[in-house]
Amino acid sequence: QVQLLESGPGLVKPSETLSLNCSVFGDSLSAETYFWAWIRQPPGKGLEWIGSFDNTGNLQYNPSLKRRVTISADTSKNVFFLKITSMTATDTAVYYCARHNPPPTLTFDFWGQGTLVTVSS
Amino acid sequence: DIQMTQSPSSLSASVGDRVIITCRASQTIKKYLNWYQQKPGEAPKLLIYGASTLHSGVPSRFSGSGSGTEFTLTISGLQPEDIASYYCQQTSITPPIAFGQGTRLDI
Repeated sequence: QVQLLESGPGLVKPSETLSLNCSVFGDSLSAETYFWAWIRQPPGKGLEWIGSFDNTGNLQYNPSLKRRVTISADTSKNVFFLKITSMTATDTAVYYCARHNPPPTLTFDFWGQGTLVTVSS
Repeated sequence: DIQMTQSPSSLSASVGDRVIITCRASQTIKKYLNWYQQKPGEAPKLLIYGASTLHSGVPSRFSGSGSGTEFTLTISGLQPEDIASYYCQQTSITPPIAFGQGTRLDI
């Protein structure tokens, strides 16, 4: 069974950079079958895709966040990362990491439990 | 970008009811549409992919239909455990991967 586990700070100050980790168990980031993604959900609101990557060099970001987002991975540790710069209150959200199939199916089949990040001074 | 619009944004129904949630795309997405269920405090779970194919383990009271720009998720015989928010997701033209704004279902 594939499991994903997010970790990182629950509180970030405005203008600072958010750094989150996603540890993957039961699958390998080195495999070429799946994509790995970050999605966020502001309290009481809908889902927003942040970005995805696979092990063949495909890396895509949501254009609305592209200027501030970096997604990377350490395949030797089976962990991938999210960095968002210049955080503001509107970035307060539950952040999920997830696995998805390639296009066009693009089904998100495994998700982490999510981690709440609050932006506040 | 393709915009996804769900309706209604919320609804209340009774156990045993037939519930229909609609998702409209701003341009044709053929059958590249997935549905997710999200219970409070949990991550979303895949229900249906390719507009009408039930994901493994999903009860048969859930069904999906549609193509082009209009899609529906139907729950036939609502159960108490179906209390959740439901999201559609288009997979036709990406990036970005776009979700609908969600439909909150109460009993």
